[in-house]
Amino acid sequence: TQLLEQSPQFLSIQEGENLTVYCNSSSVFSSLQWYRQEPGEGPVLLVTVVTGGEVKKLKRLTFQFGDARKDSSLHITAAQPGDTGLYLCAGARGNQFYFGTGTSLTVIP
Amino acid sequence: EAQVTQNPRYLITVTGKKLTVTCSQNMNHEYMSWYRQDPGLGLRQIYYSMNVEVTDKGDVPEGYKVSRKEKRNFPLILESPSPNQTSLYFCASSPYQSGTQYFGPGTRLLVL
Repeated sequence: TQLLEQSPQFLSIQEGENLTVYCNSSSVFSSLQWYRQEPGEGPVLLVTVVTGGEVKKLKRLTFQFGDARKDSSLHITAAQPGDTGLYLCAGARGNQFYFGTGTSLTVIP
Repeated sequence: EAQVTQNPRYLITVTGKKLTVTCSQNMNHEYMSWYRQDPGLGLRQIYYSMNVEVTDKGDVPEGYKVSRKEKRNFPLILESPSPNQTSLYFCASSPYQSGTQYFGPGTRLLVL
């Protein structure tokens, strides 16, 4: 059973376009993290959001935690080829972590 | 350099031959985890450890064992590997349960 569903699963866009990745669940999480993973490497943390409704910005990336702490979104403005990678959301619930299915992003120059 | 190391990075084995994948962190982190990553399923937590001698099952613990005798080490043991355990495995550590997780480089396992 997948606790966190990400959409879309695959995304291919032109450089300069904007995009949004969604991470949805019917469960409440104490915190939610977004990671980025390059081929052949482990995931690397981008951001952690803790409070319902929280919005965090990291340069061209904007992360939002849903008011009910069940969902999150990642918005990238003016995507660049360097943004290409696998984006993963992960929710903390009890002592466990649950990862989303991942969104594979390709930004074409 | 702060890091999580895993060994081996690549392993090909046969069904039923016991194997151990080692994981070590040098950041004095309390929380450590093992995950497997499969296409279309994302990362799934196998086992986690809150501290020395404290381990608990994650989402997919069947067929795996772990131990945490020292704070820095968290080996993953497959007593009798089967082909459905072919996967990419990641070890991760975190200063506390909901903190930033630092991942190792991964171990790609093929069970024939």
